[in-house]
Amino acid sequence: AQSVTQPDIHITVSEGASLELRCNYSYGATPYLFWYVQSPGQGLQLLLKYFSGDTLVQGIKGFEAEFKRSQSSFNLRKPSVHWSDAAEYFCAVGGIDNTGFQKLVFGTGTRLLVSP
Amino acid sequence: NAGVMQNPRHLVRRRGQEARLRCSPMKGHSHVYWYRQLPEEGLKFMVYLQKENIIDESGMPKERFSAEFPKEGPSILRIQQVVRGDSAAYFCASSPLSGRTDYGYTFGSGTRLTVV
Repeated sequence: AQSVTQPDIHITVSEGASLELRCNYSYGATPYLFWYVQSPGQGLQLLLKYFSGDTLVQGIKGFEAEFKRSQSSFNLRKPSVHWSDAAEYFCAVGGIDNTGFQKLVFGTGTRLLVSP
Repeated sequence: NAGVMQNPRHLVRRRGQEARLRCSPMKGHSHVYWYRQLPEEGLKFMVYLQKENIIDESGMPKERFSAEFPKEGPSILRIQQVVRGDSAAYFCASSPLSGRTDYGYTFGSGTRLTVV
C-alpha cells in the first residue's frame, strides 16, 4: 500500500524568502502525486499534481514541485513566500491499493508560518 | 458551478447522540469520498461511494459509522452514539470518474464535529 511522509511538522520562513516543503512517498508503481493547501478552518485546495511527463510541475499561486523517482520525493517549492501562503500543506499519493481501488493517501501535513 | 457542499460547517453533539453529516458533490460528479482529519494528523480515508453503492469502506470504523449516497440527495455520513474520540473534521470529496485519482479530488470545506 502507498504511504506518504512529510518530515517537517512546522516550518517558519521569512516573507520574501524561498520555500521548500519535503515529501517522500512509498509506492510500488508510478504514482500520481499531489500537493494540497488548507487554510485555517477551510477545505483543501489542489495546488498541483503529477501524473507523468515533465518531472517539474507548475501549480497555482507560484508553486512548483519536482518529482524525483530515485529519491521517491515530490518536494514543493516557491521562490518567494508571501504572508498569505501561511497554511497547512499536504502531500498525497494516489494509486491502486490492495483492495483494487484507487484512492488518495495523505501525509500528516506541514504547517507553514511566515514571519515579517 | 458550485463546488462540493458540506453541511453543517460545525456540529456539536453530546456523547451518545447521533451525528449526520451531509455532502453534495460537484455537479456532474457521481463519486464521493469521505475523509477524517483528527487534530494534528493528516486525512484518513474512510469510505468511497457511488450512487446507491458503497465501493470501498475499508477505512470506516466497524461500529457506529455508516455512509450512504442515495439516488437522489446528498451523501450522508452517520455516526451513532458519538464519543469524544469522534471529534474531528470530516471532509467530503467528489470526482467525475470511477475511483480515478489522476484527476485529483475536489474537496468540500468540511464539517467540524465536536463531541462534548
